[in-house]
Amino acid sequence: DIQMTQSPSAMSASVGDRVTITCRASQGISNYLAWFQQKPGKVPKRLIYAASSLQSGVPSRFSGSGSGTEFTLTISSLQPEDFATYYCLQHNSYPNTFGQGTKLEIK
Amino acid sequence: QVQLVQSGAEVKKPGASVKVSCKASGYTFTSYGISWVRQAPGQGLEWMGWISAYNGNTNYAQKLQGRVTMTTDTSTSTAYMELRSLRSDDTAVYYCARDIRYGYDAFDIWGQGTMVTVSS
Repeated sequence: DIQMTQSPSAMSASVGDRVTITCRASQGISNYLAWFQQKPGKVPKRLIYAASSLQSGVPSRFSGSGSGTEFTLTISSLQPEDFATYYCLQHNSYPNTFGQGTKLEIK
Repeated sequence: QVQLVQSGAEVKKPGASVKVSCKASGYTFTSYGISWVRQAPGQGLEWMGWISAYNGNTNYAQKLQGRVTMTTDTSTSTAYMELRSLRSDDTAVYYCARDIRYGYDAFDIWGQGTMVTVSS
């Protein structure tokens, strides 16, 4: 099985900050990597697909990069509505696996 | 619009079974598959398995093999997930998500979630 190691597990930041979250795959997954945002009590929302493609309707301050085993999600300028938990997901092979999540809190 | 609508919350006793439905609309059901994902209270997301709505092929998480069955009814564009021999640690919100075996249209649409509580 492919393990997805996501870091950090939690972080605090301020409005306007630039934030980077990383996911590392235990083996190569090409670019079959998606990023999701989840707010408490809500359904996960896909932000990025194919490692770097922005989901329609998602603000351009979100961006993704990487290929193979190392991936990043960047929020260029944090907004109040961005405080949430973020997950990566590899769907290159079964079983699909999620990262452990990154809880982004207000500093 | 494209959407997945799931069945309502369930309360079950340990050892019982639960069957959650996920009705698709707004797209060609058989052109995609459905993945099931669960989330225990306060925990992360766990992928449970996938079913092709085209031919019924499945792929299940190893830890659930033997207890889970995923099916589809193409006449009603509905996917089902049945989990048997329920335990307290199966208490979770269960989500269905549109998925595709090869390609990037994976997990773009999610159901609203179904809370399954296992308690004696």
